[in-house]
Amino acid sequence: EVQLLESGGGLVQPGGSLRLSCAASGFTFSSYAMSWVRQAPGKGLEWVSLFSGSGGSTYYADSVKGRFTISRDNSKNTLYLQMDSLRADDTAVYFCAKMCCASLGNFDYWGQGTLVTVSS
Amino acid sequence: QLVLTQSPSASASLGASVKVTCTLSSGHSSYSIAWHQQQPEKGPRYLMKVNSDGSHRKGDGIPDRFSGSSSGADRYLTISSLQSEDEAEYYCQTWGTGVVFGGGTKVTVL
Repeated sequence: EVQLLESGGGLVQPGGSLRLSCAASGFTFSSYAMSWVRQAPGKGLEWVSLFSGSGGSTYYADSVKGRFTISRDNSKNTLYLQMDSLRADDTAVYFCAKMCCASLGNFDYWGQGTLVTVSS
Repeated sequence: QLVLTQSPSASASLGASVKVTCTLSSGHSSYSIAWHQQQPEKGPRYLMKVNSDGSHRKGDGIPDRFSGSSSGADRYLTISSLQSEDEAEYYCQTWGTGVVFGGGTKVTVL
């Protein structure tokens, strides 16, 4: 059974940093692209970043480019999102999602999310 | 620019059918999309991938009353025999140089 468990969310001040983690199990983690998707309160889903399962390619939404860094540790089956220079509009539930394949495609499994609140 | 457009809401009676539409932007009518369901206060759940020829592949454990189809730039999700637990937000998703989501359609079961 595929499981994705996010952690690391919390309250942070504007300009601060936070690192999210996603522990994966139930599939060959290194073979698949993994992604972060967020949802601001009362809003729709917004793609944030993706790390491919082969070749190490990374992709970012324009809204986070230069501030967020996605990484993965295949030995620990864990995906990370380092979030720096946080702003109030980064407040959202952050979901970890598995892609169908090694690179861009459809998501086929989701985590339950971790809440990030950016506020003074 | 790759954009997905969804109507904000749809409704149907318990036991009836509802059809949700996702429209691809001009020049992208050959793209596949995926449908995801998000029930209140829960994470999303993958329902199916729908190709331009109307073929679709469902996720694990998705009931037969969920189906997908296509026409031109439109991709559809049809839910038959509506149940109360089908009341949820439904998002379409596609990919190009990045990932794109539609704005979501809130399905209400009357």
